[in-house]
Amino acid sequence: DGGITQSPKYLFRKEGQNVTLSCEQNLNHDAMYWYRQDPGQGLRLIYYSQIVNDFQKGDIAEGYSVSREKKESFPLTVTSAQKNPTAFYLCASSPPRTGTLLGNQPQHFGDGTRLSIL
Amino acid sequence: AQSVTQLGSHVSVSEGALVLLRCNYSSSVPPYLFWYVQYPNQGLQLLLKYTTGATLVKGINGFEAEFKKSETSFHLTKPSAHMSDAAEYFCAVRPSGSARQLTFGSGTQLTVLP
Repeated sequence: DGGITQSPKYLFRKEGQNVTLSCEQNLNHDAMYWYRQDPGQGLRLIYYSQIVNDFQKGDIAEGYSVSREKKESFPLTVTSAQKNPTAFYLCASSPPRTGTLLGNQPQHFGDGTRLSIL
Repeated sequence: AQSVTQLGSHVSVSEGALVLLRCNYSSSVPPYLFWYVQYPNQGLQLLLKYTTGATLVKGINGFEAEFKKSETSFHLTKPSAHMSDAAEYFCAVRPSGSARQLTFGSGTQLTVLP
């Protein structure tokens, strides 16, 4: 079955350490997204990519980095510059359209990675 | 700029009662609208979407929503709540004709009482 796989499900980071969260999709979607979820704040966009080798900052990109070397993969690195990384991270993907209605397709989500600080 | 407001961060209903979760949006152009559900420690699952055509949209698990342009609303309803409906629900918006990312509301936690 097609879907989005995020790994690991739980991740722990020490102070000053970079960690990378994996996101792989086999849906053949062009666009991929990373969100951060904190209690009571909904989802906030970190980075998104609409095509391979291209990505844009979202609303809260500081302290994060991404790459998009393959269509299927969009890893997120949480750097030591991110001072409050404890959160639930969600990866999503979507096709651009069906027919002529650009943007009419929903995003499909992985099951998330919960990052905590040791 | 577009935004989404979900009225009520927590809603409790009795099993068998009507579920009503409110969503209002502000957008400079007619939007696409989505409702998602999230169970604990899982990702978001699409319940339904409105993009064009009929304004009453039916989704999975017996949920439906009505797009009301005059009220800038897209409220989610279900006639009879089940215990399994307990989850967090998110409304999201995107301007029509755009491939931009979704803007999400802050979510509503639904509790179903026995």
